[in-house]
Amino acid sequence: QKEVEQNSGPLSVPEGAIASLNCTYSDRGSQSFFWYRQYSGKSPELIMSIYSNGDKEDGRFTAQLNKASQYVSLLIRDSQPSDSATYLCAFHSGGGADGLTFGKGTHLIIQP
Amino acid sequence: DGGITQSPKYLFRKEGQNVTLSCEQNLNHDAMYWYRQDPGQGLRLIYYSQIVNDFQKGDIAEGYSVSREKKESFPLTVTSAQKNPTAFYLCASSDLLGGWETQYFGPGTRLLVL
Repeated sequence: QKEVEQNSGPLSVPEGAIASLNCTYSDRGSQSFFWYRQYSGKSPELIMSIYSNGDKEDGRFTAQLNKASQYVSLLIRDSQPSDSATYLCAFHSGGGADGLTFGKGTHLIIQP
Repeated sequence: DGGITQSPKYLFRKEGQNVTLSCEQNLNHDAMYWYRQDPGQGLRLIYYSQIVNDFQKGDIAEGYSVSREKKESFPLTVTSAQKNPTAFYLCASSDLLGGWETQYFGPGTRLLVL
């Protein structure tokens, strides 16, 4: 059974601070990892993907992957109120087009 | 303007009724997917299709059916056998060039039972 664990929150962070979101996964065969942002009532929007151990930076976002610990995280620097959303962690294992496994998401609130 | 469209935005189903959710993409993606999201939950895979005229069951296929007669279209039918259909339904697509696993979502259809 493939599983993804995320703290559901809410996680409250002051504006301008760093928000840190964490995710663990059960399938050691997982190859690809994703962070999606979902605003209330809207569909998920892909914000980061990571495939190799280490850090990957894109603007204010940094994804971190540690396959040995089966752990992936997302850092949001200089948090803005517009970052307030639910962040979904997802992974893909195998090489085919067979769908992603999602966590339940972490609700992030940026306090002005 | 490339993207994925889903219709309707809201859909109401009566007891014992089958309803069909539309998903169309003009991204020229080969693979398409249907997910279901319940309140406070992550997405769960219902069906997926890698090529035309072929599709596979996901984790929660019972009570649902799909077809893939055209590359651009992947409609989902919620049958009367699905006893708890109220949820947010999301369609996604991906292609080999972008990596099968990089999926982009449509705006979703919210299904409610009358």
